[in-house]
Amino acid sequence: TQLLEQSPQFLSIQEGENLTVYCNSSSVFSSLQWYRQEPGEGPVLLVTVVTGGEVKKLKRLTFQFGDARKDSSLHITAAQTGDTGLYLCAGVRAGGTSYGKLTFGQGTILTVHP
Amino acid sequence: DAGVIQSPRHEVTEMGQEVTLRCKPISGHNSLFWYRQTMMRGLELLIYFNNNVPIDDSGMPEDRFSAKMPNASFSTLKIQPSEPRDSAVYFCASSQGLRRTNEKLFFGSGTQLSVL
Repeated sequence: TQLLEQSPQFLSIQEGENLTVYCNSSSVFSSLQWYRQEPGEGPVLLVTVVTGGEVKKLKRLTFQFGDARKDSSLHITAAQTGDTGLYLCAGVRAGGTSYGKLTFGQGTILTVHP
Repeated sequence: DAGVIQSPRHEVTEMGQEVTLRCKPISGHNSLFWYRQTMMRGLELLIYFNNNVPIDDSGMPEDRFSAKMPNASFSTLKIQPSEPRDSAVYFCASSQGLRRTNEKLFFGSGTQLSVL
């Protein structure tokens, strides 16, 4: 059982469409991060959310942290082919003693077709 | 900034052989992490170091796996003997290690390991 469940696992859309990726858990997190990974490369951090209810925008990407700090979403407006990649959420559990121990979700593979 | 440097990029070996993966973290970063990525299990934390000291190795799958960090600029992950189920992409990551829960990890490009 994954501590962080991402959905959907696969997403195939046309350029210009909107999409939302979800990251859910039954545990509370001190913070949640979203990474994007391209083939043959390591994940690259997109954003970190730390406050319940927080919303952050990065151009066409909108990230939200749930009020209870157990879930997060990533919304992409007007997807472009360059958005294609693996999107990973990762978090540090609240109240834990394992500093820095990021737990990753399984990831969502996004393919944007021209 | 050269980023986190891993070598080799690809490694193909036969079952039973020893494999050593190498990592050079970003200069000035105090924390170093080894992750393994597979389709089935995603990204799994194997071990992490803070100031060259192993802090949590609970993710190391078996005694066949060992990791060292002899100094602030170098770490190795060794598998001896290797098995086909060890085939995966192994990532090294580093961070400034300031004990913040929103610490940013910088990943290397990974080592694609194939054990035949």
